[in-house]
Amino acid sequence: AQSVTQPDIHITVSEGASLELRCNYSYGATPYLFWYVQSPGQGLQLLLKYFSGDTLVQGIKGFEAEFKRSQSSFNLRKPSVHWSDAAEYFCALFSYSNYQLIWGAGTKLIIKP
Amino acid sequence: EAQVTQNPRYLITVTGKKLTVTCSQNMNHEYMSWYRQDPGLGLRQIYYSMNVEVTDKGDVPEGYKVSRKEKRNFPLILESPSPNQTSLYFCASSLTGGGIEQFFGPGTRLTVL
Repeated sequence: AQSVTQPDIHITVSEGASLELRCNYSYGATPYLFWYVQSPGQGLQLLLKYFSGDTLVQGIKGFEAEFKRSQSSFNLRKPSVHWSDAAEYFCALFSYSNYQLIWGAGTKLIIKP
Repeated sequence: EAQVTQNPRYLITVTGKKLTVTCSQNMNHEYMSWYRQDPGLGLRQIYYSMNVEVTDKGDVPEGYKVSRKEKRNFPLILESPSPNQTSLYFCASSLTGGGIEQFFGPGTRLTVL
């Protein structure tokens, strides 16, 4: 079955500290993976995507993600978070079944001053 | 500007009163899709359309209808809304069904009393 799991519902990080948000997927073929961010009351903004090639993907706002096929993971990282990064982050997998994105439940990032 | 638009952005209605949420894209995309977002569940696909006059059910189609009479428009219809359809709705489009990257509208927050 195709699925995306984000194990952490909430994560609290101090401003200036590093961040890693976890994403695990289950898919029978080469995955196409995405990270989106949703600020409170806002829509969805694409942070980065992995289709193929280099397993370390750079995105906007200083985020990066690493695809690890052996671990079925696509974790999102940022070296130093800012208060404006407080938001909910979603990992998603493209599925040719219904040509849809399959979404994780999201991780809410809280920034401590 | 290339975009997906949704109207209305916010809607409060009562049980049983038919409503339509419009979605329009100006990118000449063939594929369009509706998702609903609920806390702890991420986004789930309601319906999708591969092209004009071609629509199909997603994972949670009950209580919804769609139509695709023109390429640019993909309205979501709730014939008899119920409180369990209170949710945040997103419309998305992509160049083709196999076009992996989807572009999202700003979302419509619906409350059914």
